[in-house]
Amino acid sequence: EAGVAQSPRYKIIEKRQSVAFWCNPISGHATLYWYQQILGQGPKLLIQFQNNGVVDDSQLPKDRFSAERLKGVDSTLKIQPAKLEDSAVYLCASSFRGQGGEQYFGPGTRLTVT
Amino acid sequence: AQKITQTQPGMFVQEKEAVTLDCTYDTSDPSYGLFWYKQPSSGEMIFLIYQGSYDQQNATEGRYSLNFQKARKSANLVISASQLGDSAMYFCAMREGGSTGGFKTIFGAGTRLFVKA
Repeated sequence: EAGVAQSPRYKIIEKRQSVAFWCNPISGHATLYWYQQILGQGPKLLIQFQNNGVVDDSQLPKDRFSAERLKGVDSTLKIQPAKLEDSAVYLCASSFRGQGGEQYFGPGTRLTVT
Repeated sequence: AQKITQTQPGMFVQEKEAVTLDCTYDTSDPSYGLFWYKQPSSGEMIFLIYQGSYDQQNATEGRYSLNFQKARKSANLVISASQLGDSAMYFCAMREGGSTGGFKTIFGAGTRLFVKA
């Protein structure tokens, strides 16, 4: 079974530029999560989708971050414009609702904003 | 409000010995789940073990066991017979909710484990 795929793996941009990350969850997983992990900290949930509907985006900085999950499969997370404090690893995870709830993570995208 | 606390920023253990990583949590939801994840230097989070709030027995998965003390709100991870490959960051996480279809998950700050040869 293929795992969660993410791209790109690394991205360096200047502040005020925009960037987009892509995630493809495990086939059949209805729930998809985007996390931000700042160096030395635990992951912080940005947004959670159930199929293609948003379940929780309470910690998403909506003035600059946006995310969508079209057709309930792939998802993209966008930052526009980026700030220095957005430098972090962005993790995508998926889970199959009703199976204990463990999440399966992708390799992450390391974003550096200069 | 949800809260997960991991008080040990770093831990050392001798190879082949057992080690306990601490985790305490705070929630008012009677239905919740507790997870431990491992994050090696490669960065990918790996699910290790799960304990449901209504589970009567402590969860075990191979060399991993979860010491669940509900009254104390603690969910410590025990790794037996440590191996050099166990050196990594370990995160405790809690999931609550679900009555309306949405689960909320939060992670602790993590504990870095160093296994010495």
